[in-house]
Amino acid sequence: QKEVEQNSGPLSVPEGAIASLNCTYSDRGSQSFFWYRQYSGKSPELIMSIYSNGDKEDGRFTAQLNKASQYVSLLIRDSQPSDSATYLCAVIRDDKIIFGKGTRLHILP
Amino acid sequence: DAGITQSPRHKVTETGTPVTLRCHQTENHRYMYWYRQDPGHGLRLIHYSYGVKDTDKGEVSDGYSVSRSKTEDFLLTLESATSSQTSVYFCAISEEGGGADTQYFGPGTRLTVL
Repeated sequence: QKEVEQNSGPLSVPEGAIASLNCTYSDRGSQSFFWYRQYSGKSPELIMSIYSNGDKEDGRFTAQLNKASQYVSLLIRDSQPSDSATYLCAVIRDDKIIFGKGTRLHILP
Repeated sequence: DAGITQSPRHKVTETGTPVTLRCHQTENHRYMYWYRQDPGHGLRLIHYSYGVKDTDKGEVSDGYSVSRSKTEDFLLTLESATSSQTSVYFCAISEEGGGADTQYFGPGTRLTVL
């Protein structure tokens, strides 16, 4: 089983709708979880971090963590064309950050 | 934007030649990282540094070496480049390690080995 798994997409979402991105991880001892956004040809940038079970909201973004089920998700409300990017899930294992392969999100105007 | 630069930004080289990529930061962060990003593999850690002259291996360190003689510079060297090392290389920095702190990424270097 891969350590951090994401659906590669592309995930197509109409403008204004909610985009839901999911990630599962294999190491039950993981404590820190991150979502990075990467535009085509650019470097990753951190958009959300979450450390405890439940929801964490920041503007249009909500990160959700369920340690019992070993998944973390990212919701993007009121999706905009500028949200079209690849979203990378990352998990800390043995003091090192492990990235998923990313989900390509395409917002349809 | 975090003050991170990478040089060169693009490089084409031939198999068997040595290549050095440079990462320079102006943030005085303790931790520096080198990643490679390939389609189908995502971001993978090559080496990282937790201080001057202190480095450790990541998950894909074979064929790569690093050096850090100053806080602000972290060099990645391919001693004898191979076509499998064609990739986009990202440098990242953080104040703390172990995932306790945000990693900021540089703009990347696109390396092609013919």
